[in-house]
Amino acid sequence: DIQMTQSPSSLSASVGDGVTITCRASQSVRSYLNWYQQKPGKAPKLLISAASRLQRGVPSRFIGSGYGTDFTLTISSLQPEDFATYYCLHSHTSPSTFGQGTKVEVK
Amino acid sequence: EVQLLDSGGGLVQPGGSLRLSCAASGFPFTSYTMNWVRQAPGKGLEWVSGISGSGDAAFYADAVKGRFTISRDNSKNTLYLQMNSLRAEDTAVYYCAKDIYSGRVGYFDDWGQGTLVTVSS
Repeated sequence: DIQMTQSPSSLSASVGDGVTITCRASQSVRSYLNWYQQKPGKAPKLLISAASRLQRGVPSRFIGSGYGTDFTLTISSLQPEDFATYYCLHSHTSPSTFGQGTKVEVK
Repeated sequence: EVQLLDSGGGLVQPGGSLRLSCAASGFPFTSYTMNWVRQAPGKGLEWVSGISGSGDAAFYADAVKGRFTISRDNSKNTLYLQMNSLRAEDTAVYYCAKDIYSGRVGYFDDWGQGTLVTVSS
């Protein structure tokens, strides 16, 4: 199975800050990399698919990039509603596997 | 609008069984693989199982293979997960999740609200 490693596991930031989350795959997943946002008590929400494709209705401050084994999710200017946990998920081969998550907290 | 309504969770003793259901609406159910994804308390997300749109192919995580059975009733637009030989480590919120593919497991664009399964004596 392909292992997905996210870093950092948590970070503290303020409204207006730019933040970057990294996801690394144990082998190439080409561009089959997706990002989710999850708020407490809620189901995950798909933000970005195919490494950089923003889902409909997702603000443009969310930016995904990368290919192969190294990927990033950047939030260009944090808004109050962005404090949440973020997960990457590869969908290259079965089984699809998630990263362990990155919690974005208020500084 | 896609709607996925998970149900069937509850408290069960170790070694017991439980069946989860997910009622789907708002999209052509047979056109998509459907999945179960779980989240243990305070932990991350784990894909558990998926079934192709036609129901002829099922996929399982190693952690549940041989104990869980996924199925679907396309006449009722409903997904199921039969969970047997439950263990404490199966305690989690279980989410039904719609795939973007029809014949394989990919990634998930719509989710149910989740149903809590607690395995404890």
